[in-house]
Amino acid sequence: QLQLQESGPGLVKPSETLSLTCTVSGGSISNTSYFWDWIRQPPGKGLEWIGTIYYSGSTYCNPSLKSRVTISVDSSKNQFSLKLSSVTAADTAVYYCSRRTFGVVSWLDPWGQGTLVTVSS
Amino acid sequence: DIQMTQSPSSLSASIGDRVTITCQASQDISHFLNWYQQKPGKAPKLLIYDASNLETGVPSRFSGSGSGTDFTFTISSLQPEDIATYYCQQYDNLPITFGQGTRLEIK
Repeated sequence: QLQLQESGPGLVKPSETLSLTCTVSGGSISNTSYFWDWIRQPPGKGLEWIGTIYYSGSTYCNPSLKSRVTISVDSSKNQFSLKLSSVTAADTAVYYCSRRTFGVVSWLDPWGQGTLVTVSS
Repeated sequence: DIQMTQSPSSLSASIGDRVTITCQASQDISHFLNWYQQKPGKAPKLLIYDASNLETGVPSRFSGSGSGTDFTFTISSLQPEDIATYYCQQYDNLPITFGQGTRLEIK
């Protein structure tokens, strides 16, 4: 059964870079049938899709965040990562990683448990 | 970006009630819509994919319908464990976008 686990600092200072890693277990990140996505949820608010990466390294990031977001993949470690630069308090959120199916019909499943990142000095 | 508008934003219902949530897309998204359930402190869970297909293991009291711009999510008989927030999500175009969520409470 595929599982995803987010990891990284829970506290980041304003103007610094948020860095998170998602470790995939129970399956290969190089499986050509899937994309690997990041989604976030500010406390008490809704879901915002951040971006996606394919095993080949191709990425697409939400234009609302594009200039600050970098998503990368390390197939040797079965991990993918998120970097968000120049963070502010508005970037405080629970960050989730998820697998998304590749195809005409697509969905996000499963999800990691999420990790809360707080931006504060 | 495609805007997804859910209604209502919150809903109070009794056990056994039929519950309906709607999701409207800002443009035609065909059938490219999913529904998720999120319980407090937990990650979202896929319930319905491709507008009307029930994910494996999800109880049959959950259903989805619609196409184009208007979609409906229904719980045929509300159970205590269904208390959660529900989100629609479109995947017709990137960026993927979600509805703002519908918080379901017990009356």
